[in-house]
Amino acid sequence: DIQMTQSPSSLSASVGDRVTITCRASQDISTYLAWFQQKPGKAPKSLISAASTLQSGVPSRFSGSGSGTDFTLTISNLQPDDFASYYCQQHSKFPLTFGQGTKVEIK
Amino acid sequence: EVQLVESGGGLVQPGGSLRLSCAASGFTFSEDYMDWVRQAPGKGLEWVGRSRSKAKRYSTEYAASLKGRFTISRDESKNLLFLQMNSLKPEDTAVYYCVRAIYYSGKNYLGYWGQGILVTVSS
Repeated sequence: DIQMTQSPSSLSASVGDRVTITCRASQDISTYLAWFQQKPGKAPKSLISAASTLQSGVPSRFSGSGSGTDFTLTISNLQPDDFASYYCQQHSKFPLTFGQGTKVEIK
Repeated sequence: EVQLVESGGGLVQPGGSLRLSCAASGFTFSEDYMDWVRQAPGKGLEWVGRSRSKAKRYSTEYAASLKGRFTISRDESKNLLFLQMNSLKPEDTAVYYCVRAIYYSGKNYLGYWGQGILVTVSS
């Protein structure tokens, strides 16, 4: 199975900050990487597919980059609505696997 | 508007069975791949399995640890996706999400998620 390793597992940031979350795959997954946002008690929401394609309706302060094994989710100008957990997920091979998540908290 | 509504969750004893349903609307159900993903309380996301499209004969894939106990099927006439869960264990306790996969750039990714349904396995 492809292991997805996210870092950090949690971070504290202030409104207006720039936040970077990294995700590393245990093998080459090309750009078959998605990012999800999840708020407490809610279903995950798709933010980015194919490593860097922003989903419709997702604010442009979110961006994704990377290919192969190393990927990044960046949130520029962090807003109050962005405090949540974020997961990366590879869809290159079965079984589909997720990172362990990153919780973004208010400083 | 895409809608995915799960039902059928609840409390079940260890060793028991449960069938989850997902009512899909707002898209052509037979043409899309559908997945189940679960999340144990306070834990991360775990992929359960996939049902491919009608063109792919609704073929399925499963997480290896669940294969043999969990089965995914569809009722095309009612736009329903099912997850049959047998020989349930306490560690199967989780919120189960129905997900519509979206084809993009050569692969299907997890695009639209239902609100989730809680399954609790306990005596």
